[in-house]
Amino acid sequence: GENVEQHPSTLSVQEGDSAVIKCTYSDSASNYFPWYKQELGKRPQLIIDIRSNVGEKKDQRIAVTLNKTAKHFSLHITETQPEDSAVYFCAASAGFQKLVFGTGTRLLVSP
Amino acid sequence: GAGVSQSPSNKVTEKGKDVELRCDPISGHTALYWYRQSLGQGLEFLIYFQGNSAPDKSGLPSDRFSAERTGGSVSTLTIQRTQQEDSAVYLCASSSRQGSAEAFFGQGTRLTVV
Repeated sequence: GENVEQHPSTLSVQEGDSAVIKCTYSDSASNYFPWYKQELGKRPQLIIDIRSNVGEKKDQRIAVTLNKTAKHFSLHITETQPEDSAVYFCAASAGFQKLVFGTGTRLLVSP
Repeated sequence: GAGVSQSPSNKVTEKGKDVELRCDPISGHTALYWYRQSLGQGLEFLIYFQGNSAPDKSGLPSDRFSAERTGGSVSTLTIQRTQQEDSAVYLCASSSRQGSAEAFFGQGTRLTVV
């Protein structure tokens, strides 16, 4: 089955810096790659997703890139703000099969 | 429309007692997941239901844990003979087989075993 690895487990940046979180997946059939943000005490919520027919997707300060050949995808956050502090989870699935999550990255943005 | 609803929000139980946690998925969502999240930790997969297919139970940590989904909608996670290490937030999520494959999470049930 699918296995998703996520790095780093923790990431500390200064406000205004960029943050990058990386994930690798094992199942070449996977074609859907969402990213979830979980703020303290709250439920995970989708912030951006990408499908395997595109290599990059942007939404304001966040972007996701996908390298199908290498089977890895990354979340990029530019101009980080304290409210970006949260735990971020990547995930992968093949079509509408089971969504498999990474282990999470705790991002801390210091003012 | 309503999102994923879980009940109760909080549950305190004595060690050795059985508990039932309920999840009401978004109407029409065929996929339903249960996860466990200990304080400061990641999402531990427990079980996955997809339509009428046999559930993927590969994440259940012991035979004290079981789950069912009646009528393809509401799901109940049952923990028998609870132990202190079962204390965690239990999250339910659902997704559709049409359109986006996005998983929507409930607010979770915080279980405390004393």
